[in-house]
Amino acid sequence: NAGVTQTPKFRILKIGQSMTLQCTQDMNHNYMYWYRQDPGMGLKLIYYSVGAGITDKGEVPNGYNVSRSTTEDFPLRLELAAPSQTSVYFCASSYYGGSDSYDEQFFGPGTRLTVL
Amino acid sequence: DQQVKQNSPSLSVQEGRISILNCDYTNSMFDYFLWYKKYPAEGPTFLISISSIKDKNEDGRFTVFLNKSAKHLSLHIVPSQPGDSAVYFCAATPGTASKLTFGTGTRLQVTL
Repeated sequence: NAGVTQTPKFRILKIGQSMTLQCTQDMNHNYMYWYRQDPGMGLKLIYYSVGAGITDKGEVPNGYNVSRSTTEDFPLRLELAAPSQTSVYFCASSYYGGSDSYDEQFFGPGTRLTVL
Repeated sequence: DQQVKQNSPSLSVQEGRISILNCDYTNSMFDYFLWYKKYPAEGPTFLISISSIKDKNEDGRFTVFLNKSAKHLSLHIVPSQPGDSAVYFCAATPGTASKLTFGTGTRLQVTL
């Protein structure tokens, strides 16, 4: 199992450019998440998905879009990159089977994005 | 509004001693609490969790204590090892299928 994989690892964008951050998981998890982490800050949720075809906004969704056409993939799209989107982006997944116990989220290695 | 707070940005502990990392929360709806560990250039990895129906959960060298009345939890690492040097994030959620709210992290350095 590769777990959660993210590409690219690093990227520099110019203001106004667009890009897609890729995220794939091979654990058959139904829930997937996108977070961003700014220096000295915790992780903030951008978008999440509870299954293929279902997505919802998190705490900081502005400037981003997502789609979930398959269980495995959850790409994050930046349409008009701004310096405020300079951050490290983490994708995560978890399995929720309706149990009372909490199933932890598994994280990818992150994508470091700089917008100049 | 920071609902999960880790007020100590960094902590330095000698190898073999106890490390205590603290976390405070404000949202009384939080029901599950987790600790994640993060090494540089890697994603966070799950360490240990605790449900609000318990006040202690232990896993090897790691113990998490929950004080609901004080809205406070702590992670104890005994004995601390150099490989424990990392950033530790506290996280909380109001339910098993709900989103996590993370604290800002505490950087632990275990010295020889």
